[in-house]
Amino acid sequence: EPEVTQTPSHQVTQMGQEVILRCVPISNHLYFYWYRQILGQKVEFLVSFYNNEISEKSEIFDDQFSVERPDGSNFTLKIRSTKLEDSAMYFCASTRGSGNTDTQYFGPGTRLTVL
Amino acid sequence: GESVGLHLPTLSVQEGDNSIINCAYSNSASDYFIWYKQESGKGPQFIIDIRSNMDKRQGQRVTVLLNKTVKHLSLQIAATQPGDSAVYFCAEQRAGSYQLTFGKGTKLSVIP
Repeated sequence: EPEVTQTPSHQVTQMGQEVILRCVPISNHLYFYWYRQILGQKVEFLVSFYNNEISEKSEIFDDQFSVERPDGSNFTLKIRSTKLEDSAMYFCASTRGSGNTDTQYFGPGTRLTVL
Repeated sequence: GESVGLHLPTLSVQEGDNSIINCAYSNSASDYFIWYKQESGKGPQFIIDIRSNMDKRQGQRVTVLLNKTVKHLSLQIAATQPGDSAVYFCAEQRAGSYQLTFGKGTKLSVIP
């Protein structure tokens, strides 16, 4: 069964450093998402992406964040200058169709630890 | 705002019993609802969904009930098994939006 995959599983970085989290969505999916989950808290929406454009973003997704689909398979989340409060699990998700017509399938997550 | 270190409601059930997990959603404009299961260290796993034009949907061993009048969603798991132990989240989505809004989660512990 096709799955969303994410690398690395755990990323440790120093405050102020840039990180890139990588995702390979399910192959025939067209819409891509990033969510984060701070330890012990709810899963929170960051951004959705379609046709090489951001379609929706939350207040969390400020200028420090960016997303890119650099090729036909990868979808990345970049945090330009990490802060301690960026420490969280970051989940990528994808859907075949748009909005609320299709289920979002989640990857296993990347645990980001900012020291 | 939300408190740091959210304390999850916990539901403990005996193996073989039925489980009912409840969720109150906030947005009356939401028209799509999903239950996800999250095991420790893993991503949310889709269980079952329901659209606002329905009030009940059944899957394999799971049933979702939707009461739009009181904005309440429930997940029923029949014959609960040890493998069902996880945190269960409801999520809502409103028409025209891409984002899922997740609830707080309920930790289900199955006693063998």
